[in-house]
Amino acid sequence: GESVGLHLPTLSVQEGDNSIINCAYSNSASDYFIWYKQESGKGPQFIIDIRSNMDKRQGQRVTVLLNKTVKHLSLQIAATQPGDSAVYFCAEEANAGNMLTFGGGTRLMVKP
Amino acid sequence: SQTIHQWPATLVQPVGSPLSLECTVEGTSNPNLYWYRQAAGRGLQLLFYSVGIGQISSEVPQNLSASRPQDRQFILSSKKLLLSDSGFYLCAWSPQPGSYEQYFGPGTRLTVT
Repeated sequence: GESVGLHLPTLSVQEGDNSIINCAYSNSASDYFIWYKQESGKGPQFIIDIRSNMDKRQGQRVTVLLNKTVKHLSLQIAATQPGDSAVYFCAEEANAGNMLTFGGGTRLMVKP
Repeated sequence: SQTIHQWPATLVQPVGSPLSLECTVEGTSNPNLYWYRQAAGRGLQLLFYSVGIGQISSEVPQNLSASRPQDRQFILSSKKLLLSDSGFYLCAWSPQPGSYEQYFGPGTRLTVT
């Protein structure tokens, strides 16, 4: 669920390595999940989404994995590049209306 | 294609002054609209959302208000700003009906001094 008030955890990876960003969600009835990327001073950008009837979905260099048993979502970035440095947020379908509940975010830092 | 605009990009206002931030969406009709606030290094806090003209729901009690005078226009206002109103304000839209994916604007950085 929303984690406003918590400082962001940071993941530091070497350029070229794979990155895995994790997220725990709260609503076992959620049917829809999204990952966003937010670069400094900009609005969040949609990366990839997944519905609860899937365990895995792949995009360009990114893969989202959904484990409904333990309510865990992860974003894998292959061959991480300096341009991937950003804060990554997961979001889940909220209980009411067309709304999302956002996680607290993880800062990804890519070392050259 | 759809685009979302926010202005101003940055704003510095004294405590007690009024506020008006504007958000407009192009290329779609009857979108859901949202206002979020993001404190430095923090997550996203939903402030208001709207499913139609004149329909505003507030998520948290606060010093701010929102209005939707036109289908694709969403305004965030305050009569008297507080120091705690400083932050990064993001507007977002999602298509109706039944879509959860939200698209964000570029944001407004508000500093209350």
